[in-house]
Amino acid sequence: NAGVTQTPKFRVLKTGQSMTLLCAQDMNHEYMYWYRQDPGMGLRLIHYSVGEGTTAKGEVPDGYNVSRLKKQNFLLGLESAAPSQTSVYFCASSGRRYEQYFGPGTRLTVT
Amino acid sequence: GEDVEQSLFLSVREGDSSVINCTYTDSSSTYLYWYKQEPGAGLQLLTYIFSNMDMKQDQRLTVLLNKKDKHLSLRIADTQTGDSAIYFCAETGHLTSGTYKYIFGTGTRLKVLA
Repeated sequence: NAGVTQTPKFRVLKTGQSMTLLCAQDMNHEYMYWYRQDPGMGLRLIHYSVGEGTTAKGEVPDGYNVSRLKKQNFLLGLESAAPSQTSVYFCASSGRRYEQYFGPGTRLTVT
Repeated sequence: GEDVEQSLFLSVREGDSSVINCTYTDSSSTYLYWYKQEPGAGLQLLTYIFSNMDMKQDQRLTVLLNKKDKHLSLRIADTQTGDSAIYFCAETGHLTSGTYKYIFGTGTRLKVLA
């Protein structure tokens, strides 16, 4: 039982490049979330999903897209990376609505 | 609006108690949480408290909730060097799709001195 895993762990992109971050959970959770963590700002919700095939916008969705084609996976895409998207990205999942489990994070740098 | 505030730093000596404080704004929050983040790692749920409780104790951890003042605290007894980490307070905010979002504070960096 691996919990929540994220790939890759680190990535450096040039401005304008695209990439996809993968989140996988093996707990059969319905709800999945993508957050970004920036210094002095805590975590902010980018997008979330309440089940397979559904996605919704969080607080800071601009510049990101998501897909939840399979229940266990939640993908976060950056179509045209910008330096403002340099951050640490965390995926989380929850079965019960009040308890979220976090992955180890992906550190992204956009130059 | 929804906001969670924490002090940024706390330094204690090993063996002492640590008290990390948090204030929140959404009085309708159902649950309030404490998460721990060690360097280079994700967030680990330490404990949570239901909004109709005043106190919750779990081994070395004690959570106190003052709903009137919207104040949450985490006390760590007999603080150890392994407790050095960033501690995040979070409250639940409602999302329209029937699930909750978490509203996180900025985190308190706890440094334990040997």
